[in-house]
Amino acid sequence: EAGVAQSPRYKIIEKRQSVAFWCNPISGHATLYWYQQILGQGPKLLIQFQNNGVVDDSQLPKDRFSAERLKGVDSTLKIQPAKLEDSAVYLCASSFGQKEGVNGYTFGSGTRLTVV
Amino acid sequence: SQKIEQNSEALNIQEGKTATLTCNYTNYSPAYLQWYRQDPGRGPVFLLLIRENEKEKRKERLKVTFDTTLKQSLFHITASQPADSATYLCALGDTGNQFYFGTGTSLTVIP
Repeated sequence: EAGVAQSPRYKIIEKRQSVAFWCNPISGHATLYWYQQILGQGPKLLIQFQNNGVVDDSQLPKDRFSAERLKGVDSTLKIQPAKLEDSAVYLCASSFGQKEGVNGYTFGSGTRLTVV
Repeated sequence: SQKIEQNSEALNIQEGKTATLTCNYTNYSPAYLQWYRQDPGRGPVFLLLIRENEKEKRKERLKVTFDTTLKQSLFHITASQPADSATYLCALGDTGNQFYFGTGTSLTVIP
């Protein structure tokens, strides 16, 4: 089966600019996650969707980050305006169910964002 | 808040030896624990899951133990190969939606 697709792979922007990332999960996976991974750290959950509804966005900096999954399939994550500390890899993951501990989560390759 | 710690130092071992990685946690009672492998420029790849009521789980050359009293999981790779070189992440989950990753341990297997 095709994996989780993300684009772009790399993005360099200046601080205060906006940026958007796109994710297409594995077909049939109802749950979609966005993670932020800062260099040298483990991934941190930003937001979790179940179909097109938000399940958990408690760690999403809502003053500058937004995400949507309008049709319950692909998703976009936006940062506006970006700060230097937003430099990180943004990973998208998907799973069949909401509590897919048994089979793990399937991650995309991520988008590496550099804010200068 | 919960804290998950993995070997802070990179681990270098000789090919053929057993690599042992540690995941310790505090202020948390996970229902299960997962291990992932992450290669440079790639997303994490799921390897194994172990539940709180399981002591040990094996998959090919991989073995995971889970000690809820010590609040620790050990991840073993036996007969290690250079291709096993990567960063390994542990992740803890509960029965709700909470799921937390450790910082990862970099493993290098020297031929």
